[in-house]
Amino acid sequence: EVKLLESGGGLVQPGGSLRLSCAASGFTFADFYMSWIRQSPGKAPEWLNFIRNKANSYTTEYNPFVKGRFTISRDDTQNVLYLQMNTLRAEDTAIYYCAKHPYNSGYFDYWGQGVMVTVSS
Amino acid sequence: DIVLTQSPALAVSLGQRATISCKTNQNVDYYGNSYMHWYQQKPGQQPKLLIFLASNLASGIPARFSGRGSGTDFTLTIDPVEADDTATYHCQQSRNLPYTFGAGTKLELK
Repeated sequence: EVKLLESGGGLVQPGGSLRLSCAASGFTFADFYMSWIRQSPGKAPEWLNFIRNKANSYTTEYNPFVKGRFTISRDDTQNVLYLQMNTLRAEDTAIYYCAKHPYNSGYFDYWGQGVMVTVSS
Repeated sequence: DIVLTQSPALAVSLGQRATISCKTNQNVDYYGNSYMHWYQQKPGQQPKLLIFLASNLASGIPARFSGRGSGTDFTLTIDPVEADDTATYHCQQSRNLPYTFGAGTKLELK
């Protein structure tokens, strides 16, 4: 059974940093592209970024509005996906999901339960 | 960015057909595929993949769900609607980066 479990969320002050983790199990993590997606209450999900697999050199793609502030990375030895978030703003407040791609496709066949990030003073 | 437009809400009766639409401001077709996907999201839960590439049923999804469309106009159909189908339904395009989602159509029962 595919499982994705996010952690690392919480309350952070504006300008602060946070690192989210996503522990994956139930599939060969190293073979798949992975994404981070966020969603504010009542809003559409927003795709943030994805990281390709080793076969595709772990290259990354970012939504322009987070490029330079957020960094996606992965550890295939531990089956963990990361999201480093810097210079956080109030508008970054949202539920953050990690999601698995079916191979190199652009949709998401499994999502984690999500972790809440609140940016407030 | 490609913008996806959905109606905010739809009310249908149990056992009837629900048709949810998604319109894009750019063509999401490419080399014979339509890069449109559908998700179901219940309150407090993560989205769940229903349909990929416009018309392909995801694993474990009942055949009551179907998708069709091409170009800039897509529909998700649920027939017949069951009580458990009350949720918000989002479309998502992967034709171009950044991937974008529709704001969702909330399906309610009459």
